[in-house]
Amino acid sequence: QQQVKQSPQSLIVQKGGISIINCAYENTAFDYFPWYQQFPGKGPALLIAIRPDVSEKKEGRFTISFNKSAKQFSLHIMDSQPGDSATYFCAASNRGSTLGRLYFGRGTQLTVWP
Amino acid sequence: DAGVTQSPTHLIKTRGQHVTLRCSPISGHKSVSWYQQVLGQGPQFIFQYYEKEERGRGNFPDRFSARQFPNYSSELNVNALLLGDSALYLCASNSGLIYGYTFGSGTRLTVV
Repeated sequence: QQQVKQSPQSLIVQKGGISIINCAYENTAFDYFPWYQQFPGKGPALLIAIRPDVSEKKEGRFTISFNKSAKQFSLHIMDSQPGDSATYFCAASNRGSTLGRLYFGRGTQLTVWP
Repeated sequence: DAGVTQSPTHLIKTRGQHVTLRCSPISGHKSVSWYQQVLGQGPQFIFQYYEKEERGRGNFPDRFSARQFPNYSSELNVNALLLGDSALYLCASNSGLIYGYTFGSGTRLTVV
């Protein structure tokens, strides 16, 4: 059973546009929600993360929006650049019960056209 | 500072063989986790070790085993390889005190 559901599977955006990737979860015990960026041949790299006690976190062009009641969170990439072309994974974990085991979504392949 | 180091980067094995993958965590990190990433999917949790003890196991058969050494490095062993074991195997480390894991670049295993 997929603990974290991610959409869309692929996304094509023009340079300068906004990329939006959505995730949903069921386990209300999750208390940490990171986003990872993965380039071909590389491991996932932590991009940005949020705890459920805040509704939004922004780091540069990347913003996480978190809706605790809906059990949804999303990644917004502002002013998307060709260098942002990669696969993005949302994830969730509960540090207390499982020492932070990560449950990943299936990934979104983002292509930014110049 | 060196990141998470995995070896080898690539290898090809034949069905039925055994494989050992190695991981060196970031210096000072005491927790190591292993994930399997099949092409086109998100990483799936295999094992977690903290202070040399197994702290979690994912839904993988007993052919998969792991251990953590006194220097906190780790090995993942897979016996009786199947074609379906072909994947990118990722190691991730954490200090055990904070959220978030740092991943290595992985070992690409191909079973033929």
